[in-house]
Amino acid sequence: EMQLVQSGAEVKKPGDSLKISCRASGYSFPSSWIVWVRQMPGKGPESMGIIYPGDSDTRYSPSFQGQITISVDRSTSTAYLQWRSLETSDTARYYCARLVWQNDGRSFDLWGQGSQVTVSS
Amino acid sequence: QSVLTQPPSVSAAPGQKVTISCSGSSSNIGHNDVAWYQQFPDTAPKLLIHESLKRSSGIPDRFSGSKSGTSATLVIAGLQTGDEADYYCGTWDDSLSADVFGTGTKVTVL
Repeated sequence: EMQLVQSGAEVKKPGDSLKISCRASGYSFPSSWIVWVRQMPGKGPESMGIIYPGDSDTRYSPSFQGQITISVDRSTSTAYLQWRSLETSDTARYYCARLVWQNDGRSFDLWGQGSQVTVSS
Repeated sequence: QSVLTQPPSVSAAPGQKVTISCSGSSSNIGHNDVAWYQQFPDTAPKLLIHESLKRSSGIPDRFSGSKSGTSATLVIAGLQTGDEADYYCGTWDDSLSADVFGTGTKVTVL
């Protein structure tokens, strides 16, 4: 069974660092792009950036460039999303998903269960 | 702020049909296929439709998608109580160089 399993909920203070994870199983991890998606309370999803595990090619959405770091560990089939210094506005649920390319578009066909991040003083 | 606009809510009685629109521009829907996602509270989105009109594996044919110009549409026919959820469109935006999602539509079964 194909799965993306994410790390658990986190409660942090402003200025803290954080790294959350997304472990893939049941398919060829190096061969499919992974996206990280932010969903703030009551809002729609926002794509933060994508990474190709095969060669770690990483592309950040303009709104998130410089704010986060996306990485992978091919030995454990795990993708990561990292912050150096959290802000209260980073409070959200974060999802990883698998990106599939089609002829004239792309979609996210496999999703992790989400990781709740709460940043509060 | 999303570049894809959806109606905040739609509703209909069981067995009826609802139509959800997704309005974009030439840099996104006008140039790229659209995907539709279903999301229940506190759960991850689920892919319903890809390439504007193709149903994902296991999705019943009550769900159908289409695209014309800079807009896309999701139709849910034979509405069931289990269809109550939030629905989002998504596509690539060439100008933003980013994947973008719609504002979301809450479907209510009366």
